[in-house]
Amino acid sequence: EAQVTQNPRYLITVTGKKLTVTCSQNMNHEYMSWYRQDPGLGLRQIYYSMNVEVTDKGDVPEGYKVSRKEKRNFPLILESPSPNQTSLYFCASSLLEGMETQYFGPGTRLLVL
Amino acid sequence: TQLLEQSPQFLSIQEGENLTVYCNSSSVFSSLQWYRQEPGEGPVLLVTVVTGGEVKKLKRLTFQFGDARKDSSLHITAAQPGDTGLYLCAATAPNNNDMRFGAGTRLTVKP
Repeated sequence: EAQVTQNPRYLITVTGKKLTVTCSQNMNHEYMSWYRQDPGLGLRQIYYSMNVEVTDKGDVPEGYKVSRKEKRNFPLILESPSPNQTSLYFCASSLLEGMETQYFGPGTRLLVL
Repeated sequence: TQLLEQSPQFLSIQEGENLTVYCNSSSVFSSLQWYRQEPGEGPVLLVTVVTGGEVKKLKRLTFQFGDARKDSSLHITAAQPGDTGLYLCAATAPNNNDMRFGAGTRLTVKP
């Protein structure tokens, strides 16, 4: 089954404790991206990647890191989480950016205390 | 300030009614997409519009892209409770690789 998977689905952590949210897709897509979704603000893009070893900042990259060592994986790293990073995070992938269908993962709900 | 302004923010209607939601911007886009998101899930693509003035139909849903490619509308005919969800528009600007989303319209269709 073609899908985007994220782990964990739910995470409660404390300020400053490094964490990684994994994202994996099995569709051989070049383009992957991370979004955060907050009430009244919609989805805001954090980082995106056009292909392996190519990553770019989106709208709200501060406090986040990503890597794209393999085509299928695109982990999101919070080196020192803060409470304002409490949010719902989505990973997405598509063949190419722009007009192509983006497939979204199920989301990761993060609470930073 | 949202690059894409969606209205209304909330909409609650009875089953069988028609409705239109809007996605507006001052920017020109190369393409615009509409997604629907249900609670606990990620957004799912409904349609992509590319050409100014384009109209696409998906069963009871009609999508229109403005002539100037700055705005779009989604019209639902005879809404059903299964249409309940968060409707998001998203767009990519010309010569730009990042996709921007509107804040969404939360639709509730009551039986």
